[in-house]
Amino acid sequence: DTGVSQDPRHKITKRGQNVTFRCDPISEHNRLYWYRQTLGQGPEFLTYFQNEAQLEKSRLLSNRFSAERPKGSFSTLEIQRTEQGDSAMYLCASSLQGAGNTIYFGEGSWLTVV
Amino acid sequence: GDSVTQMEGPVTLSEEAFLTINCTYTATGYPSLFWYVQYPGEGLQLLLKATKADDKGSNKGFEATYRKETTSFHLEKGSVQVSDSAVYFCALNTGANSKLTFGKGITLSVRP
Repeated sequence: DTGVSQDPRHKITKRGQNVTFRCDPISEHNRLYWYRQTLGQGPEFLTYFQNEAQLEKSRLLSNRFSAERPKGSFSTLEIQRTEQGDSAMYLCASSLQGAGNTIYFGEGSWLTVV
Repeated sequence: GDSVTQMEGPVTLSEEAFLTINCTYTATGYPSLFWYVQYPGEGLQLLLKATKADDKGSNKGFEATYRKETTSFHLEKGSVQVSDSAVYFCALNTGANSKLTFGKGITLSVRP
């Protein structure tokens, strides 16, 4: 049983560079979520997909951020022209469709912008 | 909008002490309620959940009861262990998209 996996686990990048994170959800899950977590705070919702359709985006997701899930399986989150304020842990999660269904999280991708 | 409020931390206890972590919520509709735990350097793991009023979620000795009248979902454990040291997040979801709204989390440290 493989859970949600994320890659890379850690990324250090210079300000202004682009970064991309990948998430592989639990195989039968049709919903995929991205969250951002900063130190001392709870995770904040960024966006979610149902199959390949991106159904909701938070206003936290500036136009420098783009997420895709082209075949309804894995997803990528790209951050363009990174800023120091983008430093955070980016969490991916997946679930089956349906209210109250458990959302399972990956171990997260730590981003440090220097 | 939906929100979750957790008691201020951190909390430090001795092993075998009783634990209570308070959580209250504001939500439209009838949310499902969750406790997630995050061990150092790791992602979030579901600890327990309750999907309707008066349900009790339980796992690994932890319990929480969905109290609609007080809009609360307090986490309890009768006897904590050093291995319970972690950050605990209360969360809720409502609506068809099942999007989670989290509290700020509270750090629990258990001394031997």
